[in-house]
Amino acid sequence: DAKTTQPNSMESNEEEPVHLPCNHSTISGTDYIHWYRQLPSQGPEYVIHGLTSNVNNRMASLAIAEDRKSSTLILHRATLRDAAVYYCILRGLYNFNKFYFGSGTKLNVKP
Amino acid sequence: DTGVSQDPRHKITKRGQNVTFRCDPISEHNRLYWYRQTLGQGPEFLTYFQNEAQLEKSRLLSDRFSAERPKGSFSTLEIQRTEQGDSAMYLCASSLSEGSGTAETQYFGPGTRLLVL
Repeated sequence: DAKTTQPNSMESNEEEPVHLPCNHSTISGTDYIHWYRQLPSQGPEYVIHGLTSNVNNRMASLAIAEDRKSSTLILHRATLRDAAVYYCILRGLYNFNKFYFGSGTKLNVKP
Repeated sequence: DTGVSQDPRHKITKRGQNVTFRCDPISEHNRLYWYRQTLGQGPEFLTYFQNEAQLEKSRLLSDRFSAERPKGSFSTLEIQRTEQGDSAMYLCASSLSEGSGTAETQYFGPGTRLLVL
């Protein structure tokens, strides 16, 4: 399975933008980049996904490098509720039925 | 609430006992997944169903573990002769298949936290 590399933890101030990086140098052409987050004591929840182009939704934006070897999840204005572990996951044709979560990035948001 | 539900939310058992967990997926979802999560780690894939067929099992799923999805609706995960190493959060997720599946979203339940004494 193609793996991803994320920082163990990051810190942000409330109402400021947050950029969460993810490296995936072994990504294949058919792999989608998915981001999930897990709030304390909850199951993971979907945030956003993309293939090649940058993506926006009401929760976040996903910026994908031109060579697709890295991506960045952007939270435009962090709130205390955004404190969670964020997972960057690759999903391809040969592993579409399971996610490899890794350890993710624990985001701490300071008031 | 029309999300994925899991029951029980917490389970404490003694080593050697059998436990069974239930997952009710989102009603129209044909794919169902089980994951295990230990403290400080991300969830690890255990097994996957498409409708009632169990199509893949992880090497993590020892002979003491069995999962079923009769009639392609709810699913159960049973652990026989529990061991202390089985203590973890057991997560269920469901999805609606879309073509190759690479873009589809998995919706997770709140998990069942198991503690084996």
